[in-house]
Amino acid sequence: DADVTQTPRNRITKTGKRIMLECSQTKGHDRMYWYRQDPGLGLRLIYYSFDVKDINKGEISDGYSVSRQAQAKFSLSLESAIPNQTALYFCATQLGGTDTQYFGPGTRLTVL
Amino acid sequence: GQQLNQSPQSMFIQEGEDVSMNCTSSSIFNTWLWYKQDPGEGPVLLIALYKAGELTSNGRLTAQFGITRKDSFLNISASIPSDVGIYFCAGRNSGGSNYKLTFGKGTLLTVNP
Repeated sequence: DADVTQTPRNRITKTGKRIMLECSQTKGHDRMYWYRQDPGLGLRLIYYSFDVKDINKGEISDGYSVSRQAQAKFSLSLESAIPNQTALYFCATQLGGTDTQYFGPGTRLTVL
Repeated sequence: GQQLNQSPQSMFIQEGEDVSMNCTSSSIFNTWLWYKQDPGEGPVLLIALYKAGELTSNGRLTAQFGITRKDSFLNISASIPSDVGIYFCAGRNSGGSNYKLTFGKGTLLTVNP
């Protein structure tokens, strides 16, 4: 079984809709991250969380919100989706005190 | 914010050829990581480097942490078709919040059989 799972894997939605992307992990890591990937732009950090009560904005948090429901779950919401939020979204986990981040398989989101 | 310049952006090579890609930064990093992303998947860690000058191998892959701590390179020897994918460098420094990895924009590698 995958250590970091993301649902859904693909989603097509319309402008103005609220969307939630889910991430779950079985690695027991305390830190979790949300990134978006756009062609030619690499991975950009949206939000990150060091533990259940800790939420921090990344470099491109506008238009997004997150919820850390439990240590193993970190969800990303688009309050009112817009077309330029069409991208590949990745969740990642990390054990505090180490450098390596482990990525989920990604969610491909298309906003029409 | 910090930026990593990763080059080349893309490479088209023949099977069996060696490949070299690199990342440079305007800031000093304490850790360099190299990830590979297969089509349709998330990035997977290939090699981690923790000391300036460190040279580390993982099979046909070799990566080095630059002496200036502002650069790193990744070499792939005798490429094979399954080497296809996007390769990302990532760096971490000790300033401020030490959580943050800064990622390069990736090198897209295509291997022709």
